[in-house]
Amino acid sequence: AQKITQTQPGMFVQEKEAVTLDCTYDTSDQSYGLFWYKQPSSGEMIFLIYQGSYDEQNATEGRYSLNFQKARKSANLVISASQLGDSAMYFCAMREGLTGNQFYFGTGTSLTVIP
Amino acid sequence: NAGVTQTPKFRVLKTGQSMTLLCAQDMNHEYMYWYRQDPGMGLRLIHYSVGEGTTAKGEVPDGYNVSRLKKQNFLLGLESAAPSQTSVYFCASSYPGGRGNEQFFGPGTRLTVL
Repeated sequence: AQKITQTQPGMFVQEKEAVTLDCTYDTSDQSYGLFWYKQPSSGEMIFLIYQGSYDEQNATEGRYSLNFQKARKSANLVISASQLGDSAMYFCAMREGLTGNQFYFGTGTSLTVIP
Repeated sequence: NAGVTQTPKFRVLKTGQSMTLLCAQDMNHEYMYWYRQDPGMGLRLIHYSVGEGTTAKGEVPDGYNVSRLKKQNFLLGLESAAPSQTSVYFCASSYPGGRGNEQFFGPGTRLTVL
C-alpha cells in the first residue's frame, strides 16, 4: 500500500485565491512527522512546513498552513493568497517514528497559478 | 554556507559502466540521504546514513552502494549501471530535532544510462 497518496496530479488556482492540496497517509506508528516540499521548475526541493503527529495545533508558516486531520489520516496543504511564484510541484512526505530516518514521498501535485 | 552540494550535475553512462556520485554538506549534519526521482513517482529513498561510518538501506537500495567515510560526505556508487537507473538523484541532509528532522536537499544530479 502507498504510504503517501496525493490524488491531484494537477491543480489550477487564480492569483490571490487560496488553494488546498490533498495528502493522505498510511502508517501504524503513533509517532510520525508530515512534511510538504515545493519543487519549482528549476528542480530544487524546498521545505515548506512540518506537522508532528502529537502536535495539537495545525502548523502554519507564513502563507502555508497544514490542515491535519489525524483520524482521517490527512495532511492537506493550504496556500493562501496564491502568487505566480507558487507555480510548482508540491510533494507531501512522511517520516515514520519519532526520530526515524525513513521518509516516504507522494507522487506530487503540479500547481499552476493563473494571473 | 554552500549547504548541500552534489557532483556532477549531469552524467551520461553506458550500460555496465560504473560511477560515483558525491554529496557534500557544510552544515555539520548527522544524517544524510540519497533519493531518486522518476517521473510520476515522487522521491524514493535509496540509502541513508545516521553518522560517519554507518549506512542503512532505504526503499530501493538494489544496484547501489554507499559510503560515509567523513561526516560531511556521502557517496553513492553504481557498480554496473542499467537503463533502469536513469533518474534524477537527490542528496539530502538533516540533524536530530529541528523541524521534525527536516531535510535540506542538494540541487540534484541528472543521470542517463544508455
